[in-house]
Amino acid sequence: GENVEQHPSTLSVQEGDSAVIKCTYSDSASNYFPWYKQELGKGPQLIIDIRSNVGEKKDQRIAVTLNKTAKHFSLHITETQPEDSAVYFCAAPVDTGANSKLTFGKGITLSVRP
Amino acid sequence: EAGVTQSPTHLIKTRGQQATLRCSPISGHTSVYWYQQALGLGLQFLLWYDEGEERNRGNFPPRFSGRQFPNYSSELNVNALELEDSALYLCASSLGFSTKNIQYFGAGTRLSVL
Repeated sequence: GENVEQHPSTLSVQEGDSAVIKCTYSDSASNYFPWYKQELGKGPQLIIDIRSNVGEKKDQRIAVTLNKTAKHFSLHITETQPEDSAVYFCAAPVDTGANSKLTFGKGITLSVRP
Repeated sequence: EAGVTQSPTHLIKTRGQQATLRCSPISGHTSVYWYQQALGLGLQFLLWYDEGEERNRGNFPPRFSGRQFPNYSSELNVNALELEDSALYLCASSLGFSTKNIQYFGAGTRLSVL
């Protein structure tokens, strides 16, 4: 199948706490896993991505971990701030041929309480 | 450097009419992608063009069509509009057609079908 699923669908955390968003995919040949952040009234923006040849990648307060055996990858946000409140989408390529395309999850709404 | 631009920002149509949405990619990008973002459904892949050719198509009826011009800008046409076509339509562009090329999104066109 072409499923890319995100869990949970909504997440509320206290400012300063950590947030973890998990994404599962079905195509074992998938080799590129981006995370996008969409703020109100804007288009999605790439915040971090990971290739299949590494297990973890960090960029300041954001990290992504990949478990290819279990076919899931997670977004970790530490020391959350109110401006982290947004919708977050994970994606994975399916039909990994020349005309492969990204399939996105349904998104998770993260709310950071001040 | 200008990002992905979409026009119009908002579009109001009635059932049965046709809608035309436009997208200008980032300079140097040859691939353009179209997504539909309806409430609660995440990003649904519509179409992907590269170098003027359609590379892949999502599970949408034929009344959703598009094209890419020699300057790599793109147009999405929706014929015989239905109420359920109301959504945010997002355009993204990337360098070439590998799924490992980052997709950069525009702010979208909000289509309302009355």
